[in-house]
Amino acid sequence: QVELVESGGAVVQPGMSLRLTCAASGFTFTSYPMHWLRQTPGRGLEWVTIISGDGSYENYAGSVKGRFSISRDNSKDTVYLQMNTLRAEDTAVYFCARAPDSRWHTFETWGQGTLVTVSS
Amino acid sequence: QSALTQPASVSGSPGQSITISCSGTSSDVGRHNFVSWYQHHPGKAPKLLIYDVTNRPSGVSNRFSGSKSGNTASLTISGLQAEDEADYYCSSYTSSSALYVFGPGTKVTVL
Repeated sequence: QVELVESGGAVVQPGMSLRLTCAASGFTFTSYPMHWLRQTPGRGLEWVTIISGDGSYENYAGSVKGRFSISRDNSKDTVYLQMNTLRAEDTAVYFCARAPDSRWHTFETWGQGTLVTVSS
Repeated sequence: QSALTQPASVSGSPGQSITISCSGTSSDVGRHNFVSWYQHHPGKAPKLLIYDVTNRPSGVSNRFSGSKSGNTASLTISGLQAEDEADYYCSSYTSSSALYVFGPGTKVTVL
């Protein structure tokens, strides 16, 4: 069955970096764009970034542009989120989600999330 | 602060129907038929219930239905069941640079 498993969440200090990993299984990974989203008690759900199935297209929310970078390794069925210059407001549960290639705006399947805490 | 507006909570008795509203603007809900609804039991993976305003993915109960009028979309849960107690989020594609926006979520309580 389709499964997405996030990992890499941790407690880090402001200004530090962290890389999250999303391991996919149960489907043809290269056929699906992948998103990262995050959830906080204060701001609710927020879309973070998307990468196309072949990795040629990326887009970012304004709040993370220039600090976060998405990438994927289709040989490993894995998508990554590199987070640099972390801020307290980046504290959240981070989810990866796949989208159908014909409906990039639909978060079809989600992982359970991984918690990132940015605190001194 | 979320771009879309949802009621904080809605409740109903088993078997009843409830409706959750999702208000946006002419840049998101009103302009595009790209509204989705998600069910989230805390600690679990969110689940897609409705996409493109009215469509249900395979495997989702037909007790869940979606609609839209102007800048407001709605999710109706009919025949309310105990397992429907969860948080529900709406999402829309937007013409703004944000691309995808969400509501703050609605907590559904089954009395």
